[in-house]
Amino acid sequence: QSALTQPRSVSGSPGQSVTISCTGTNTDVHYYHYVSWYQQHPGKAPKLLIYDVSKRPSGVPDRFSGSKSGNTASLTISGLQADDEADYYCCSHAVDYYVFGTGTKVTVL
Amino acid sequence: QLQLQESGPGLVKPSETLSLTCTVSGGPITSSDFCWAWTRQPPGKGLEWIGSICHGGRTYYKPSLKSRVTISVDTSKNQFSLNLSSVTAADTAVYHCLRETEGSSFTSWGQGTLVTVSS
Repeated sequence: QSALTQPRSVSGSPGQSVTISCTGTNTDVHYYHYVSWYQQHPGKAPKLLIYDVSKRPSGVPDRFSGSKSGNTASLTISGLQADDEADYYCCSHAVDYYVFGTGTKVTVL
Repeated sequence: QLQLQESGPGLVKPSETLSLTCTVSGGPITSSDFCWAWTRQPPGKGLEWIGSICHGGRTYYKPSLKSRVTISVDTSKNQFSLNLSSVTAADTAVYHCLRETEGSSFTSWGQGTLVTVSS
């Protein structure tokens, strides 16, 4: 039940794209099609951005997209905006439990 | 619109039991479409799933916390609760209650409540 591995930080200029990786194991990310991503601004509750690897809840801009290959899931933010500066967490279902990623801080330069 | 609100003591002594309640408004807690969950986030650190309770009272807990955690539902009050026993300073965190699409993701979050474990 170790946390999924994410880069500590990524950065990009407004309008650019950034991709955050989330690496797990054969018993979580690779095995289940239940990877979700959350955005958390300082002092706020996390917000669901992506569920079931690549689906977006109503109201989430299509600038946010998710994918998965093997043990690694990815979140791509296209057309980076100032308000995208936040912490991002992945989460995967595993056998009878969930495991979160270590978190990535996105900085908009 | 669904809203979740955590309540409970902000300070708990070491070795005692942390007890939090989540009040759900804007929808029934008895819906079979969803589970109800707790996560926590130590200051300056990442998120940790604690456990979930689903339709029919089925519970799932993080293996490393399972011996100390109990999650229950009070349908008459549209609330669910978290009990975490034998707490230590390592249990100091912001605790969030959430609505879960079973097995998939956490769709709604409470604002969170800071619980400090200290004598």
